[in-house]
Amino acid sequence: EPEVTQTPSHQVTQMGQEVILRCVPISNHLYFYWYRQILGQKVEFLVSFYNNEISEKSEIFDDQFSVERPDGSNFTLKIRSTKLEDSAMYFCASSEEGAAKNIQYFGAGTRLSVL
Amino acid sequence: GDSVTQMEGPVTLSEEAFLTINCTYTATGYPSLFWYVQYPGEGLQLLLKATKADDKGSNKGFEATYRKETTSFHLEKGSVQVSDSAVYFCALNRDDKIIFGKGTRLHILP
Repeated sequence: EPEVTQTPSHQVTQMGQEVILRCVPISNHLYFYWYRQILGQKVEFLVSFYNNEISEKSEIFDDQFSVERPDGSNFTLKIRSTKLEDSAMYFCASSEEGAAKNIQYFGAGTRLSVL
Repeated sequence: GDSVTQMEGPVTLSEEAFLTINCTYTATGYPSLFWYVQYPGEGLQLLLKATKADDKGSNKGFEATYRKETTSFHLEKGSVQVSDSAVYFCALNRDDKIIFGKGTRLHILP
């Protein structure tokens, strides 16, 4: 069964460093998303991406964050200068076009630890 | 804004017990409703869904019915197994965003 793949599974970084989290969405999906879950809190929407541009972003997704689809298969989330409060589990998701668009399939997540 | 509220966990049951995890939502209109499950060390997996009022979603012995009148989408299973131990998330889709509840951790004892 096709799945969303995220790498790495765990990323440790120093405060102020840049990190790039990687995702390979399901191959025929055209909508891509990032969510995060701070420990003990809800999973929160960050950003959606379609046709090589951001469709929508939350207030969390400030200038420190960016997304990119650098080639036909990868979808990345970059945090320019990490802060302690960026420590969280980051989930990538993707969905098809059409009637199935509202069904999002999630990866296993990347745990980001900012020290 | 839209939101999802689900029962606090952890919920601990013995194998073969009946399971109910309550979920209510606040939303305008009729969003699609979902249950996702997260097994230890794994990602969020779609367990079941319902797209309109009175729809019943079902998968792996789990069921949930979209109740417009009570704005609820409670998850049920008649006989749980140890392998059902996981965190369960109730969620709705609004404008292509998934809005999640806080999750309910379920422990099944053999």
